[in-house]
Amino acid sequence: NAGVTQTPKFQVLKTGQSMTLQCAQDMNHEYMSWYRQDPGMGLRLIHYSVGAGITDQGEVPNGYNVSRSTTEDFPLRLLSAAPSQTSVYFCASSYSGSPTSYEQYFGPGTRLTVT
Amino acid sequence: TQLLEQSPQFLSIQEGENLTVYCNSSSVFSSLQWYRQEPGEGPVLLVTVVTGGEVKKLKRLTFQFGDARKDSSLHITAAQPGDTGLYLCAGRGGTSYGKLTFGQGTILTVHP
Repeated sequence: NAGVTQTPKFQVLKTGQSMTLQCAQDMNHEYMSWYRQDPGMGLRLIHYSVGAGITDQGEVPNGYNVSRSTTEDFPLRLLSAAPSQTSVYFCASSYSGSPTSYEQYFGPGTRLTVT
Repeated sequence: TQLLEQSPQFLSIQEGENLTVYCNSSSVFSSLQWYRQEPGEGPVLLVTVVTGGEVKKLKRLTFQFGDARKDSSLHITAAQPGDTGLYLCAGRGGTSYGKLTFGQGTILTVHP
């Protein structure tokens, strides 16, 4: 199993440009999430999905869109990039079913710089 | 909004020393997870604690969940350079999805 994969690894955008960060998992996990990581702030949830066709907002959703048409894929769209969106983005998947569930399996991350 | 305060933010120690990282909140969590992250990679789960007062050991790492399920600690005995990394705690609330609240992280550097 490849686990959770993310592309691209690095990206530089100009202010106002749009782009899509790709995320895929091959573990048949129900739940998928997008986080951003900024220095001294841990990980903050952007959007999440509890299954194909179902998405919801997390803590910091503004400026981002998501959709989930399949169990495997959960792309994150930046509509009009801003310098405040410079960050490292992580996709994660998890599954339910026990008290120790919802443990996150993270991808390797995408480092995004907006100039 | 549930918050997790993690301390210390930075820790620089010599090989062989012991250390403790704390994760505190005023909120009750149904479970708490600890992750370790190396530069350029995503976080990797170390352990999940579920029951108040629970203690779990992973080789030289000891994890404890507070009796009231509001706090947790990570203790490393005889730290080694391979322990260097960012340590993150994450608490799960009681919602059906169980969205995680992450602490700010502790950057640990162990010098040979």
